[in-house]
Amino acid sequence: DTEVTQTPKHLVMGMTNKKSLKCEQHMGHRAMYWYKQKAKKPPELMFVYSYEKLSINESVPSRFSPECPNSSLLNLHLHALQPEDSALYLCASSPGQGPYEQYFGPGTRLTVT
Amino acid sequence: AQKVTQAQTEISVVEKEDVTLDCVYETRDTTYYLFWYKQPPSGELVFLIRRNSFDEQNEISGRYSWNFQKSTSSFNFTITASQVVDSAVYFCALSDDGGSNYKLTFGKGTLLTVNP
Repeated sequence: DTEVTQTPKHLVMGMTNKKSLKCEQHMGHRAMYWYKQKAKKPPELMFVYSYEKLSINESVPSRFSPECPNSSLLNLHLHALQPEDSALYLCASSPGQGPYEQYFGPGTRLTVT
Repeated sequence: AQKVTQAQTEISVVEKEDVTLDCVYETRDTTYYLFWYKQPPSGELVFLIRRNSFDEQNEISGRYSWNFQKSTSSFNFTITASQVVDSAVYFCALSDDGGSNYKLTFGKGTLLTVNP
């Protein structure tokens, strides 16, 4: 099973809302990733968790708060977002944090109004 | 610093044509890894291939083939007898440990449209 699941598929939120994106994998992978992708652009790395610890934060604004409750789950908590944060948010996992192929979920399409 | 260049922004072909997607990379590391991903309109990135810098053998998987040439720093992707289902954005990516912790550096992507 090489599946990464993400919920919700679509999310519309106001600038004062608090919401969370969820990601789950059952491949036994020990590294998990959040990417942001704007239209017609490649994915941009936001965060990397390795063995449930935050390993990389690509200088992401604090209105995005990641959480890794266990090795299978990854959350992204959203608060006070701006319209320019509207994008496709992709979760990925890999066997470890290294030169491994990453398996991506279908993404959450976020619109901030 | 790593860099991946996909010079072809968009390619349009008719079904059954062969098409080659170009990828040129830059890295100072001698050990690195190259990837291709497919992103159909549904949005999910699908892993296609990983190749390390010490393995220059070309690879074929069904209608897909990859040509890795270190001498020209290229890792090109060919689809033979293209089909409408091949329509997608294709990303080439590079991973090395030149201080980047094996983060993926993506090219800008090539949008392939296969017309019936």
